[in-house]
Amino acid sequence: DAKTTQPPSMDCAEGRAANLPCNHSTISGNEYVYWYRQIHSQGPQYIIHGLKNNETNEMASLIITEDRKSSTLILPHATLRDTAVYYCIVRVADTGRRALTFGSGTRLQVQP
Amino acid sequence: GAGVSQSPSNKVTEKGKDVELRCDPISGHTALYWYRQSLGQGLEFLIYFQGNSAPDKSGLPSDRFSAERTGGSVSTLTIQRTQQEDSAVYLCASSLGGTGPLNTIYFGEGSWLTVV
Repeated sequence: DAKTTQPPSMDCAEGRAANLPCNHSTISGNEYVYWYRQIHSQGPQYIIHGLKNNETNEMASLIITEDRKSSTLILPHATLRDTAVYYCIVRVADTGRRALTFGSGTRLQVQP
Repeated sequence: GAGVSQSPSNKVTEKGKDVELRCDPISGHTALYWYRQSLGQGLEFLIYFQGNSAPDKSGLPSDRFSAERTGGSVSTLTIQRTQQEDSAVYLCASSLGGTGPLNTIYFGEGSWLTVV
């Protein structure tokens, strides 16, 4: 699976959009971008995934650059409950043969 | 059930004792994973089950750790002769094991193990 690079930490004001970047310059054509988050003391939570098109769901939007070498997770109106560690994972999605490999992620602190 | 269920949610055990941690995956999910996370650390892969295939045990840290999955559903992670460094939260996850979006992995809330 391709390696990802994320900033170790970010702050965001409550109510503002949180934009979390991820670099995956070695991504290959059959690898998806997945985002998970882990709120303190809880199991990781799936947020969103995408291949090459931008995606949106009730939690967030995922913007993938045209060359697919980077992506941005957008939380449109961050709340205090969005404070968590956010993990960007790039993974071949042919089968579940291999487990997700989690990096260090970005610790997002939403400030009141 | 609606999500991945793990039990116990908390376990305190004495050094040298054996412990068993249980995971009920989401109904219909053929893939099941165990991870652990020590305090302040990242997630460490332990073992992976996919259907009737031989499990991927490549992440188990020692032979004191083992896991079973009976009937393709419930899984038990066993730690024998527990050591203090085994203290961590043990996370179970499951997925449909298919392709593309079906490969999304969902986690339980974890079993917190403290070895004293």
